Amino acid sequence: GENVEQHPSTLSVQEGDSAVIKCTYSDSASNYFPWYKQELGKRPQLIIDIRSNVGEKKDQRIAVTLNKTAKHFSLHITETQPEDSAVYFCAASAGGATNKLIFGTGTLLAVQP
Amino acid sequence: DVKVTQSSRYLVKRTGEKVFLECVQDMDHENMFWYRQDPGLGLRLIYFSYDVKMKEKGDIPEGYSVSREKKERFSLILESASTNQTSMYLCASTPPRGNTEAFFGQGTRLTVV
Repeated sequence: GENVEQHPSTLSVQEGDSAVIKCTYSDSASNYFPWYKQELGKRPQLIIDIRSNVGEKKDQRIAVTLNKTAKHFSLHITETQPEDSAVYFCAASAGGATNKLIFGTGTLLAVQP
Repeated sequence: DVKVTQSSRYLVKRTGEKVFLECVQDMDHENMFWYRQDPGLGLRLIYFSYDVKMKEKGDIPEGYSVSREKKERFSLILESASTNQTSMYLCASTPPRGNTEAFFGQGTRLTVV
C-alpha cells in the first residue's frame, strides 16, 4: 500500500547549523508533498510544500527538494534557531482524487543553544 | 483564518464506553479527516469524508466509525473504547480541490482506563 518513510526519527543540532530531514514515498501517482511542523502541545501547521512539477522551493531559511525519479524529498533548514525545535512531518498525496495525505512518522528536531 | 475546533482537549473514558469526538470547521471545507497520532508512528488516517453523509475508510478504521450529518461537523465514534485506543486524535479539513493545505484541530488526548 501507500507508504512514506521518514528519517531520522530524532535530530539534534547546534544553533546556527543546518538540519536535513529525508522522506521516501511509494506511490508513483503522488504529486503533492507538504511539510508540517508541530510544536510541543500544538497542532501541526504547514511550513512549506512542493508539487511534482517543481524540483526545489525555498522560503527564507527553509527549502524543500524533490526527486521524482527516486521518489524522495527532503526538508532543509539553514541557520537553525531554538524556535525551530519541534516535530516535523513529511507527507505525500495519495494517488487518485481522494485528497488524502499519507504522513511520515515524524522527526523530533532539537536545536541546542 | 481557518478554524478547526475539537470539542475536548482531554478525555478520560472507561473500557467499553461509547466515545464521541467532535470536530467543527468554519471554512466551508468539503473534506474532513480524522487522524490518530502515536509516538514513532506519525499520523495515521482513520476515516475521511469528502461530502455530507459520505465517508471512506482510512488506514486504521477498525474499532471506529464516523458521522457527517452537516458539512461543518465530523464526528469520530469509538463504539466500545479499549485501552489500545488511548492516543492523540487530530481532526483536519481541506477545501475540495486537491493538493492543498490541511488545517488541523488542536487535538484530543484520549485516555481509556
